[in-house]
Amino acid sequence: EPEVTQTPSHQVTQMGQEVILRCVPISNHLYFYWYRQILGQKVEFLVSFYNNEISEKSEIFDDQFSVERPDGSNFTLKIRSTKLEDSAMYFCASSDAGREWETQYFGPGTRLLVL
Amino acid sequence: DQQVKQNSPSLSVQEGRISILNCDYTNSMFDYFLWYKKYPAEGPTFLISISSIKDKNEDGRFTVFLNKSAKHLSLHIVPSQPGDSAVYFCAARDDRGSTLGRLYFGRGTQLTVWP
Repeated sequence: EPEVTQTPSHQVTQMGQEVILRCVPISNHLYFYWYRQILGQKVEFLVSFYNNEISEKSEIFDDQFSVERPDGSNFTLKIRSTKLEDSAMYFCASSDAGREWETQYFGPGTRLLVL
Repeated sequence: DQQVKQNSPSLSVQEGRISILNCDYTNSMFDYFLWYKKYPAEGPTFLISISSIKDKNEDGRFTVFLNKSAKHLSLHIVPSQPGDSAVYFCAARDDRGSTLGRLYFGRGTQLTVWP
């Protein structure tokens, strides 16, 4: 069964450093998302991406964040200068369509710890 | 952001009995609702969904009920099995608006099914 994969599974970084989280969405999917879950809190939407551009971003997704689809398979989330409060589990998701009953499939997540 | 609420952080049920997980929402623009299941160290896994044009959707042991007037939905698992023990997230989406599939999640309910 096709699945969304994410690397690395864990990342530890120093405050102020740049991190890149990588995702390989399901191959025929067209819509891509990043969510995060801070420990003990709810899963929060960060950004949606379609046709090589951002479709929507939340208030969390400020100038420190960027997304990219560098090739036909990868979808990346970059945090330019990490802050302590960026420590969270980051989930990538993909779907065949943005709406109309389509389901988003999630990857296993990357646990980011900023020290 | 309290648009989707799961007021019970945990639920404990004996194997074979019914599990009922509840979810309330405040945004009347939501028109599609999903339940995800999450095991530790994994991403959310899609379980079942319901459109706002329906009031019930069934898939095997899982049934979701939607009460639009009360802005309430529930997930019924019958019979409950120990393998159902996981965190269950309610999520909602506004498919008629400008957002492209953005999901709003509740905080989750930890279901424990004991033998």
